[in-house]
Amino acid sequence: QVQLVQSGAEVKMPGASVNVSCKASGYPFTTFAMHWVRQAPGQRLEWMGWINAGNGKTKYSQKFQGRVSITRDTSASTAYMELSSLRSEDTAVYYCARSEVLLPFDYWGQGTLVTVSS
Amino acid sequence: SYELTQPPSVSVSPGQAARITCSGDALPKKYAYWYQQKSGQAPVLVIYEDSKRPSGIPERFSGSNSRTMATLTISGAQVEDEGDYYCYSTDTSGNHVFGGGTKLTVL
Repeated sequence: QVQLVQSGAEVKMPGASVNVSCKASGYPFTTFAMHWVRQAPGQRLEWMGWINAGNGKTKYSQKFQGRVSITRDTSASTAYMELSSLRSEDTAVYYCARSEVLLPFDYWGQGTLVTVSS
Repeated sequence: SYELTQPPSVSVSPGQAARITCSGDALPKKYAYWYQQKSGQAPVLVIYEDSKRPSGIPERFSGSNSRTMATLTISGAQVEDEGDYYCYSTDTSGNHVFGGGTKLTVL
């Protein structure tokens, strides 16, 4: 069965970077895209960007352009999301979610809580 | 930037129909999708391509998209259907957008 397993919770200082991983199993990793979506406490879901796991091409939300980087390691069937220059407003649960063209976010990771605090 | 607008809350009694709307200017050209999120859990896809139901989603969940408004209907809502519901779509530039979410209460 399809599973997306994310790395554990992180606590970071303002100005630092965080790297969240998402290990996929149960399907051919390179035939789907992987998106990253975050949710601040009590807030809406917010799309951050995505990677074509086959060719590595990426697209980012304008809001995070310059601060976010999404990569993948096909040998490990794992996608990564790095967010830099962290500020308190980046405190949120970060999700990876699998997608294909007309079936976005059909499977989600369990979420990774990132807390930014001095 | 593109926005999808949902009512903040909807409340129904068990067995009644719950309708959650989502309005957006690009919806006549783009599919709407719906996700259910229960407290402390990851979202779950309940409707895709406006009106299709993934396997495992009960038949009481249905969707429609007419002009600039998409609607999620839960016919005969159950207590276990409580949670937050988010619509999602893209705009004509390929930006991915979620609505603000609607809290469904069934009591």
